[in-house]
Amino acid sequence: DAGVTQSPTHLIKTRGQHVTLRCSPISGHKSVSWYQQVLGQGPQFIFQYYEKEERGRGNFPDRFSARQFPNYSSELNVNALLLGDSALYLCASSLGTTGIYFGEGSWLTVV
Amino acid sequence: QKEVEQNSGPLSVPEGAIASLNCTYSDRGSQSFFWYRQYSGKSPELIMSIYSNGDKEDGRFTAQLNKASQYVSLLIRDSQPSDSATYLCAVGDFTGGGNKLTFGTGTQLKVEL
Repeated sequence: DAGVTQSPTHLIKTRGQHVTLRCSPISGHKSVSWYQQVLGQGPQFIFQYYEKEERGRGNFPDRFSARQFPNYSSELNVNALLLGDSALYLCASSLGTTGIYFGEGSWLTVV
Repeated sequence: QKEVEQNSGPLSVPEGAIASLNCTYSDRGSQSFFWYRQYSGKSPELIMSIYSNGDKEDGRFTAQLNKASQYVSLLIRDSQPSDSATYLCAVGDFTGGGNKLTFGTGTQLKVEL
């Protein structure tokens, strides 16, 4: 069975640009969440979605937005990129409470 | 603000020894706890989950939970060099059907030959 898939795996953007990151959850999983991980830190929660509705948002600016589609895939959008947005962006999916599984992540570098 | 605390390490153990990783959390109402392993340059991999007080064993891994002390630990028996990684402790929140993890900063484990 396929795990959580994310795209793109690596990308380089310029300050001020916009980026869209995509995620497909494990088949049957209806809950998706997004995390940002900078070097030396644990992942920080950005958004969670369940049944296509936003169920929670972390302490991130409004430049960050997300949505979940009818097939439960999701995308994370970041506008007006800053150098500090350079990080590993992780998508995770879950079914119930038995475990939350991460994709390989998208490495974003802002120059 | 919910917090999860871990010693950042590095924790060095010889091959074949038991590695003990510890974690404390601030929210007394937390119910779900997870340990993830993260190799350098890779994403976190779920290795253990625990929900009830006591021990839970899976192969060489044992998770221990003490809700009264708000303490979670992970024991790795017969440590191997391939166990060298950063271990992330996380507290889960499944309110409203969503999934949200609050992570510690991770403990770096080095298993030496």
